[in-house]
Formats: sequence, C-alpha cells, structure tokens
Amino acid sequence: AQSVTQLDSQVPVFEEAPVELRCNYSSSVSVYLFWYVQYPNQGLQLLLKYLSGSTLVKGINGFEAEFNKSQTSFHLRKPSVHISDTAEYFCAVSGQWGAQKLVFGQGTRLTINP
Amino acid sequence: DTAVSQTPKYLVTQMGNDKSIKCEQNLGHDTMYWYKQDSKKFLKIMFSYNNKELIINETVPNRFSPKSPDKAHLNLHINSLELGDSAVYFCASTPTGTGQETQYFGPGTRLLVL
Repeated sequence: AQSVTQLDSQVPVFEEAPVELRCNYSSSVSVYLFWYVQYPNQGLQLLLKYLSGSTLVKGINGFEAEFNKSQTSFHLRKPSVHISDTAEYFCAVSGQWGAQKLVFGQGTRLTINP
Repeated sequence: DTAVSQTPKYLVTQMGNDKSIKCEQNLGHDTMYWYKQDSKKFLKIMFSYNNKELIINETVPNRFSPKSPDKAHLNLHINSLELGDSAVYFCASTPTGTGQETQYFGPGTRLLVL
C-alpha cells in the first residue's frame, strides 16, 4: 500500500517569489509520482509526473519537481510565481504494477499575494 | 469538445433520496474512475472500470453502485443518500489504466445532501 504526506496545508507567497511545495511518500513497491493542480471549482489537471530516468522533471506553467528516492520525496518548485498560480496542489503516487490506483496527499493550498 | 464531462454540475437533495451522476469521455479511453473529494479537499478513489469491467472497488458503502453501459460512460448511482455523502464527485479517465498514465478529470459534481 502507498501513502502520501503533503507537509504544508497552506503556503502563502508573494508574487514573483520562489515556492516549494513538499511531498513525501511511503510505499513497499516502486511507484510513479504525480503532481496535479486544481483551480477553484474545476477538476484536476496534471502538472508533471516522474516515471523513470532523470530525477528532475519539468512540467507545465514553469513548475518542476525533483524525485529523491533516499528521502522518499517529490517536492514541487517554481522559481517565480504568478497570481494565476493560486490553486490547490496535490501530490499522488501509483504503484508500477497492475491497475492504476492514484493515492493522493491532503493537498496544499498555494495563495499568491500581490 | 469537452474531454470528460459530468452531469449534473450541482445536485442538492434530501436525505434518503436516490440520485445518479453521469460521466462521459470522448477521448477514446478504456479506463474510467470515480473519486470523492470531501470538504477538506481530500481525494479518494472509489471505483475504476476498464472496458466496462469493474477493476477497482474501494471500501465504499454498497449504497453506491457504478454502472458502465459502454467504455465511454461511467455513471454513479447513490441510494438512500446520507449527510456524509455531501462532497464533490470527480470522474476521470486514462487510456488503458496502467500506472504511468495521466488521468483526465471531469469538472466535478457538487452534491449537497440536506
């Protein structure tokens, strides 16, 4: 079984500042890792995912994430945020075998202040 | 040209009623999912169907019954609605349902049980 912990429920940041949203996971098997974003009153949209290879993954809207196997982490970063990045961000894992079953973290609310 | 659509968008009903939520995807995907997002934004998978066959059934009360008439549609019927069923229900789809795929989410159905 897998579990995901997002260490911050809310992150307030000023516009154009850098941000890091933290995610740690636990699993007894190899996993794939995902970050999804949910804008207000909308469904989820994929930001990026780590499947294999380079541990630094680049996604949409200038976001990137780094997979760290020894620390079982997959933190999301952006060097300069915009007002439009205000949203809920979810880290998720899925086992590499069998049917996909995404297990989500609790979400991090990113609020960008002008 | 919406990829994953859900109807209705909002649903307000009384305790004890029976209601259905419909989901359709026009992406040609084989696998569809239902998720429940509670008031704290926590997302949990409920069911998954692959080509009309149930492949994931989490510990969901049997008042919830999914039905897939064809691989483009996955409906959710809820009997004897309870206050705790109030949530946002998301439908999602993936091409084949394997672990590395991106899930495409619908806009959600906001259910309020009074």
